[in-house]
This record gives sequence, C-alpha cells and structure tokens, in this order.
Amino acid sequence: AQSVTQPDIHITVSEGASLELRCNYSYGATPYLFWYVQSPGQGLQLLLKYFSGDTLVQGIKGFEAEFKRSQSSFNLRKPSVHWSDAAEYFCAVGPVPGTASKLTFGTGTRLQVTL
Amino acid sequence: KAGVTQTPRYLIKTRGQQVTLSCSPISGHRSVSWYQQTPGQGLQFLFEYFSETQRNKGNFPGRFSGRQFSNSRSEMNVSTLELGDSALYLCASSPGRLNEQFFGPGTRLTVL
Repeated sequence: AQSVTQPDIHITVSEGASLELRCNYSYGATPYLFWYVQSPGQGLQLLLKYFSGDTLVQGIKGFEAEFKRSQSSFNLRKPSVHWSDAAEYFCAVGPVPGTASKLTFGTGTRLQVTL
Repeated sequence: KAGVTQTPRYLIKTRGQQVTLSCSPISGHRSVSWYQQTPGQGLQFLFEYFSETQRNKGNFPGRFSGRQFSNSRSEMNVSTLELGDSALYLCASSPGRLNEQFFGPGTRLTVL
C-alpha cells in the first residue's frame, strides 16, 4: 500500500529565510507526487507535481521540489519565505496508473513565519 | 475558468440526521473525488466518480454514499450522522482519471 510521511508537524522560519519541508513516500513503482498548500478555512491548492522526467520541478509561488528515488523523498523548498506562506503543506502520492484517482496524503506540516 | 464549487460551505446537523453535499467540478472535468479531513485522521479518500460511475471507494461505512450526474456534478450523502462525521469535506475534480486534482473550498459539517 502506498503511504506518505511528513516527519515535521510544525516548522517555524523567519521571513526571508530558506525553507525545506520533508516528504517520504512508500510505493512499489515510480509514484506520482504532489505538494498542496492549505490556508486556514480553505481548500487545497496545488503547488507542484512530479510525474516523470526532470527530478527538479518548479511550482507556483516560488516553490520547487526534488524527487530522489534512492531516498524515496520529495522535499519541498523555497529560497526565501514570505509571511504569506504561512499555511499547512501536504505531500501526496497518486494516482496510480490503472487504479482510481486516489490521493494518499501525508499528515501535513504547519508552517509558521515570524517577521 | 471557474474553480470547483461546493455547497453549502457550512452545515450543522444533529446525530441521526442525514446530509447531502454538492460539488460542481471545473468545466470539462469528468472525474470527481471526495475527501474527508479531520484533525485526528487527516485527509482520507472517500470515493471517486468518473462518467457517472463510482470507480473506487475508500474505507468508510456504507452510510457514506455518492453519485455523479451527466453534467459531472456530484453529490455525497451521509445518513444516520454520528458525532465523528464532523469534518471538512473536500471535493476535487480533474480532467481525467490520471491527472492532478483541483480542490474546492470544502463543506464544513458539524454534527451535534
């Protein structure tokens, strides 16, 4: 069964500092990986996705993520955090080809940005 | 293009009642999935509909059901509500079954 682990429940960074959110997945083949962001009271917004090809993917709002097969990781990075980036971030895996469009989410990392 | 819309945004029900939530996908999207989000269990997949057919179902009791109409709009129904059904219910649509999903703002259900 596929699974996603986000080891950091809560992270605090200063505005302007760099950010890295960790994500590890478990899946038997090449996964489809996603990062979503959720602001309080809102739905999920897609930041970026990895399907295949270049392992460094660029997303919206200046975010990027790197797929590392050897480490089963898909960490999210941003070189300079803005106060508006404070939110909860979810890593997800799926859909698996040949099965339903089901996303399996990690437990999320809450990002706090200090001024 | 308008995004995924969900109605109502907030709902308060009492135990034992039933509830119907609605989701209108992005125009042209044929796949609709539903998720439940709670502080304790996180985001969990409920079911997916594609071309009016349920394609997959998560590990939820039969009290949770859904359907999709010919215009791709979807509804989910929860019967005999329990306190533990209090959650944010998210709907997501995608152009096809293997594409990324776009989420609506959710319906916040409170069961008293």
